[in-house]
Amino acid sequence: DIQMTQSPSSLSASVGDRVTITCQASQDISNYLNWYQQKPGKAPKLLIYDASNLETGVPSRFSGSGSGTDFTFTISSLQPEDIATYYCQQYDNLPPLFTFGPGTKVDIK
Amino acid sequence: QVQLVQSGAEVKKPGASVKVSCKASGYTFTGYYMHWVRQAPGQGLEWMGRINPNSGGTNYAQKFQGRVTMTRDTSISTAYMELSRLRSDDTAVYYCARRGLYCSSTSCYAKGMDVWGQGTTVTVSS
Repeated sequence: DIQMTQSPSSLSASVGDRVTITCQASQDISNYLNWYQQKPGKAPKLLIYDASNLETGVPSRFSGSGSGTDFTFTISSLQPEDIATYYCQQYDNLPPLFTFGPGTKVDIK
Repeated sequence: QVQLVQSGAEVKKPGASVKVSCKASGYTFTGYYMHWVRQAPGQGLEWMGRINPNSGGTNYAQKFQGRVTMTRDTSISTAYMELSRLRSDDTAVYYCARRGLYCSSTSCYAKGMDVWGQGTTVTVSS
């Protein structure tokens, strides 16, 4: 099975800072990578799909890039409402398998 | 509006089974795969499996093979997830989630899980 790692596991940044999270797959997953935001007590929310496509309605300060095994998620200017845990998720089609990364908790400094 | 509404919290004893429902509204139920994801207290997200509401075909994560059954009732646009032989480490919030689609002028493609239920807390305790 493909393993996903994320780094850092947590970070603290100031409002307005640029925040970057990385996600690494144990083998080539092309661009089959999604990013989610989860606030405490809430269901996850899709932000980015297929590595770099912004989900409808998601602010443009969120972006994603990468392909193969290495992916990056960026918040260009951190806002107070961005406090959450962020998860990457890869998917395989043969056989169908969806694996989440361990998550990155983002706090305000 | 598009939404998924799940059944209420459950408390079960070890060895019992639990069945969680997920009622879809605002879209064509049979047009989108439904996934189930769980989250143990303080832990990350874990994919359990998916069902094709159109055909009823299922795919389960290996970890849950033999213990999980996903079904649907298209007449009421509802998906179900049943987990049997419950253990204390099955205590978690269980989510249903629709895998979305995006379309070009010629084709549609699957994207991430774009609509989620509110979650159902399942507590397994003797």
